[in-house]
Amino acid sequence: DSGVTQTPKHLITATGQRVTLRCSPRSGDLSVYWYQQSLDQGLQFLIQYYNGEERAKGNILERFSAQQFPDLHSELNLSSLELGDSALYFCASSVGASGRAEADTQYFGPGTRLTVL
Amino acid sequence: QKEVEQDPGPLSVPEGAIVSLNCTYSNSAFQYFMWYRQYSRKGPELLMYTYSSGNKEDGRFTAQVDKSSKYISLFIRDSQPSDSATYLCAMSLLNRDDKIIFGKGTRLHILP
Repeated sequence: DSGVTQTPKHLITATGQRVTLRCSPRSGDLSVYWYQQSLDQGLQFLIQYYNGEERAKGNILERFSAQQFPDLHSELNLSSLELGDSALYFCASSVGASGRAEADTQYFGPGTRLTVL
Repeated sequence: QKEVEQDPGPLSVPEGAIVSLNCTYSNSAFQYFMWYRQYSRKGPELLMYTYSSGNKEDGRFTAQVDKSSKYISLFIRDSQPSDSATYLCAMSLLNRDDKIIFGKGTRLHILP
């Protein structure tokens, strides 16, 4: 158990809908990272928040947004869902801002499996 | 050309064999190299990391980086059924704000 929690575990919804995924980082970790994992694209970095502020942006679509709250939990909002958004969404957390293995390991949660029908 | 290429497998080997997992990459500026292990229905977990070129050993695992060939490897000695998982290589640039780029992962099955 990494100490990172994600809810819900599974989510099934329809095209055009909006969903919110939630992540609680490990105690003491200030950074939260969101990733999308699909069979064809692999694990893709979406966005990082550090202590409430957006730190880095990856391949995140405009239909997706995220935020980190004062208690450091984070939410990823996915709107106008398409079939291609079906994937595993992982949250990771680390103590610092770099997320680099040698000093600041990222710990991954168990993921949320999103199915868009 | 994709930034990181990794054979998806599956790779099936008998228990006790030496396993070799590999990735190639295109960006010669990558400096940090990592291997993550992901069990079914779980998130990835960091297994090993190396900085720049060379070898690093941790128990049954050895990570190798050949920057001249843009090729990294993970060797598993005395493989066990519990090593059955998907192994993802990952790498990033030197700048601390650069994101980590992951390979798609190789599925490994260790046959008892």
